[in-house]
Amino acid sequence: DAGVTQSPTHLIKTRGQHVTLRCSPISGHKSVSWYQQVLGQGPQFIFQYYEKEERGRGNFPDRFSARQFPNYSSELNVNALLLGDSALYLCASTATGLVGEKLFFGSGTQLSVL
Amino acid sequence: RKEVEQDPGPFNVPEGATVAFNCTYSNSASQSFFWYRQDCRKEPKLLMSVYSSGNEDGRFTAQLNRASQYISLLIRDSKLSDSATYLCVVNEEGNYGQNFVFGPGTRLSVLP
Repeated sequence: DAGVTQSPTHLIKTRGQHVTLRCSPISGHKSVSWYQQVLGQGPQFIFQYYEKEERGRGNFPDRFSARQFPNYSSELNVNALLLGDSALYLCASTATGLVGEKLFFGSGTQLSVL
Repeated sequence: RKEVEQDPGPFNVPEGATVAFNCTYSNSASQSFFWYRQDCRKEPKLLMSVYSSGNEDGRFTAQLNRASQYISLLIRDSKLSDSATYLCVVNEEGNYGQNFVFGPGTRLSVLP
């Protein structure tokens, strides 16, 4: 079975542009979370979705948005890109999104904003 | 104060050494705890869950002290392949959903 898959693997954008990152969870998993990892730091929670509904949101500006589709895949959108948005964006899935479940990560999208 | 803090590292140890990582968390309502391992430029991968009674998986032992809000990871007989960044992770659930809070990580280099 495939694990969590993310696309693209790498992306280069310029300031002010927008970007869409995609994620497909492990088959059978209904919850998807997004994390931002800046070099030298641990991942920071951005969003969690379960059954197409937003269940949680981290401390990120409104330029960040996401959605989940009926097949449980998800998109993360970032508008008006800033240099500080350069990071590894990680998608993770769990079966139900409940506390205690283990997170399984995709290999991430490395975003560089120039 | 950061929600999850870890030893700053890096730790450079010889093969066969025993190394211990420490982690503290600030939210007393935290409900589950994990150690993840992250290789350079790769995604974090679950190393082990951490239980109040302490748990062991081969050369790895994890401990949790809820009263002190402290988590530890012990690696015995370290191998070159253990070189990685070790992330302490705390899972909170509140009105903001399933929020996994990651520490900054402690980098380990095992030297031949």
